[in-house]
Amino acid sequence: NAGVTQTPKFRVLKTGQSMTLLCAQDMNHEYMYWYRQDPGMGLRLIHYSVGEGTTAKGEVPDGYNVSRLKKQNFLLGLESAAPSQTSVYFCASSTGLAGVFDTQYFGPGTRLTVL
Amino acid sequence: DAKTTQPNSMESNEEEPVHLPCNHSTISGTDYIHWYRQLPSQGPEYVIHGLTSNVNNRMASLAIAEDRKSSTLILHRATLRDAAVYYCILRRVGQFYFGTGTSLTVIP
Repeated sequence: NAGVTQTPKFRVLKTGQSMTLLCAQDMNHEYMYWYRQDPGMGLRLIHYSVGEGTTAKGEVPDGYNVSRLKKQNFLLGLESAAPSQTSVYFCASSTGLAGVFDTQYFGPGTRLTVL
Repeated sequence: DAKTTQPNSMESNEEEPVHLPCNHSTISGTDYIHWYRQLPSQGPEYVIHGLTSNVNNRMASLAIAEDRKSSTLILHRATLRDAAVYYCILRRVGQFYFGTGTSLTVIP
């Protein structure tokens, strides 16, 4: 049981390049989330999904797109990377069954640098 | 916004209790108080949560003020492995706001 995994662990992009971050979970969770964490700051929610085929915007969605084609995977895309998107990206999942009791399980993070 | 206020940093001696405070004066009646911690270079992990009553689990205890405007996470015996950033979060439907947390240093 690997829990939540993220690919890649590190990436360096040039301004204007595109890339996709992959999050996978093997816990059969309904809900999945993408956060970003800037130095010295807490996590901010980018997008989330409450089930396969659904996505919703979080606190800081601009410049990102997401897709949830399979229940176990949640993809985060940057179409045209900007230096302001340099950050550590965390994926999380939860059962979605417990409402405000819901516990989130986090992946190890992807460190992205945009030059 | 369901925001919380925590001290930026705290220190504790190893094997002593640690009380991490959190203020949440804008809490509403249906908000749950969750605590997560983030070890260096890792993703956050769940610690504990509660609504009104004090809660205990194997990791920590959570003491909630009677008016629910503040809470305290209690680590009964701090170890070096407890050095982390601790986040106090108000959890409501559709919202999961982390804030900047308290960085706990444990001194051997």
